[in-house]
Amino acid sequence: DSGVTQTPKHLITATGQRVTLRCSPRSGDLSVYWYQQSLDQGLQFLIQYYNGEERAKGNILERFSAQQFPDLHSELNLSSLELGDSALYFCASSGNLDGSYGYTFGSGTRLTVV
Amino acid sequence: GQNIDQPTEMTATEGAIVQINCTYQTSGFNGLFWYQQHAGEAPTFLSYNVLDGLEEKGRFSSFLSRSKGYSYLLLKELQMKDSASYLCAVRSAGNMLTFGGGTRLMVKP
Repeated sequence: DSGVTQTPKHLITATGQRVTLRCSPRSGDLSVYWYQQSLDQGLQFLIQYYNGEERAKGNILERFSAQQFPDLHSELNLSSLELGDSALYFCASSGNLDGSYGYTFGSGTRLTVV
Repeated sequence: GQNIDQPTEMTATEGAIVQINCTYQTSGFNGLFWYQQHAGEAPTFLSYNVLDGLEEKGRFSSFLSRSKGYSYLLLKELQMKDSASYLCAVRSAGNMLTFGGGTRLMVKP
């Protein structure tokens, strides 16, 4: 157990639907990062939050949004889902802003859009 | 933009040494990471380099040359459980961590 908790582990939904993925960072970590990993594209950075504020943005679609709550858990919202959104979604946390101590990844949420 | 290159696949023999190379082009370099990922599992942190030179951690070592945009991960005394993908990731200004496509290492008996 890495200390980063992601729920649900698996999610199957239909095209056009909306889902919410949840992440609880490791105790004491203020930074949360979201990544998408699909078979043909490797790990793609989506977005980072630090202590409730958005700090960095990668290739995140407009249909996707995220937030970090006062208790530091984070949610990634995916809407108007398409078949191509099927992927593993990882959350990672780090103890400092620049992640120099390493990023700890959760076990991921496998999203299947049918 | 970011460009990170590493070999797609490598094969090595149990007990041997293997070197996985990573070259990168980035704006505002702010550190390089190596991660190990077994299929379907979360990446796990192996090493972090921000200054030139070699960082050693048990059977694993990582080297960085910022002027050449080059890093390698060295794995010694290979074990079967080392069969996994190894991901090179570069952090740029703005704290964005960009991953390479990963190198799938197969360790054979």
